[in-house]
Amino acid sequence: GQSLEQPSEVTAVEGAIVQINCTYQTSGFYGLSWYQQHDGGAPTFLSYNALDGLEETGRFSSFLSRSDSYGYLLLQELQMKDSASYFCAVRDSSYKLIFGSGTRLLVRP
Amino acid sequence: DAGVTQSPTHLIKTRGQQVTLRCSPKSGHDTVSWYQQALGQGPQFIFQYYEEEERQRGNFPDRFSGHQFPNYSSELNVNALLLGDSALYLCASSLLGQSLSGANVLTFGAGSRLTVL
Repeated sequence: GQSLEQPSEVTAVEGAIVQINCTYQTSGFYGLSWYQQHDGGAPTFLSYNALDGLEETGRFSSFLSRSDSYGYLLLQELQMKDSASYFCAVRDSSYKLIFGSGTRLLVRP
Repeated sequence: DAGVTQSPTHLIKTRGQQVTLRCSPKSGHDTVSWYQQALGQGPQFIFQYYEEEERQRGNFPDRFSGHQFPNYSSELNVNALLLGDSALYLCASSLLGQSLSGANVLTFGAGSRLTVL
């Protein structure tokens, strides 16, 4: 079967750093993606990792370890606008994108 | 450049009725995927259309069907609605060539929120 596990909720203070973990089990693996969704909004693409290591895009970084079936999204210099749900997603052998259940991030002043 | 547009944004139906949701993909995209998102959950894959054919299907019953038109727009139809079909239905578009070669970057619409009473 296919499953992605991520924490349901994370709380952090403005200006801090937060890490959202994701472990996955899929039939075939063609990369790990991260999406952000604000309440009432559409999911938007943040990052993609096909190979092991760290990918950095501004304040956001994403890491992948294929041998551990594990990845994380790192958000630095947290801002209030970062309060949203974050989803990891895996592209499987049939090219469809399978999403985790999401992590709700609450940034406090 | 318009992104993905979906209609209607909200609708209310009763059990047993049928509903049609519509989606126009982002300009230049040729593939449309539909997802169902229950409150507090991640998007669940329903099916994907390319070249007017259903390419992939998730674990959804035959009550869920779709169509893609020559202009790449798409419809999602749900028959015999159940209370459990209440959810946000998201349409996402992408470029198949990009999907096959690397990141399957989806551009999502804001969704159609369906309430079944």
